[in-house]
Amino acid sequence: AQSVTQPDIHITVSEGASLELRCNYSYGATPYLFWYVQSPGQGLQLLLKYFSGDTLVQGIKGFEAEFKRSQSSFNLRKPSVHWSDAAEYFCAVVLDSNYQLIWGAGTKLIIKP
Amino acid sequence: EAEVAQSPRYKITEKSQAVAFWCDPISGHATLYWYRQILGQGPELLVQFQDESVVDDSQLPKDRFSAERLKGVDSTLKIQPAELGDSAMYLCASSLVADTTYEQYFGPGTRLTVT
Repeated sequence: AQSVTQPDIHITVSEGASLELRCNYSYGATPYLFWYVQSPGQGLQLLLKYFSGDTLVQGIKGFEAEFKRSQSSFNLRKPSVHWSDAAEYFCAVVLDSNYQLIWGAGTKLIIKP
Repeated sequence: EAEVAQSPRYKITEKSQAVAFWCDPISGHATLYWYRQILGQGPELLVQFQDESVVDDSQLPKDRFSAERLKGVDSTLKIQPAELGDSAMYLCASSLVADTTYEQYFGPGTRLTVT
């Protein structure tokens, strides 16, 4: 069955430091991959998505992600985090059979001043 | 910018009571989703609508949950009777069509606490 794994429940980084959030998927065909962010008390916002083409995709708020088929990964990165990036981040894959999203459990990002 | 609206934002109810959530998707979006998100987990799809028709409700606990989208626009999710285990965030999302390339836009959610 298709699944998405985010191995880190929490990650703490200092403000200004770089960030990488891990996402691994299990899916037989070419996946359509997404990263969403959920700030406290708010809904989910799409950061970026990968469908095909260039494996390095740029998103909003200075985030990028790289699709690596050989590693079944779609890790999210940001070169320098800001305190406002503190939130929960979700990786998801869409099933092209019914266009439904399969979600990871999320990674909570904590920013140290 | 158009947004998905949900109300109420917060709801506290006693177990065995009925509760209802409302969602108004972005204008023109044909597909509407209801998700349940338990703290510390990703969203779980409860029901998907295409216009006024249910496309998938396989994960909806139909003995107590119901959902409708009568005119293919706004939608209501109901729980009757509520149970302690129903405490969660209920998210509504919409997309232009049900397609892998179309983004799902999420509302702010309704936080339900059952006491």
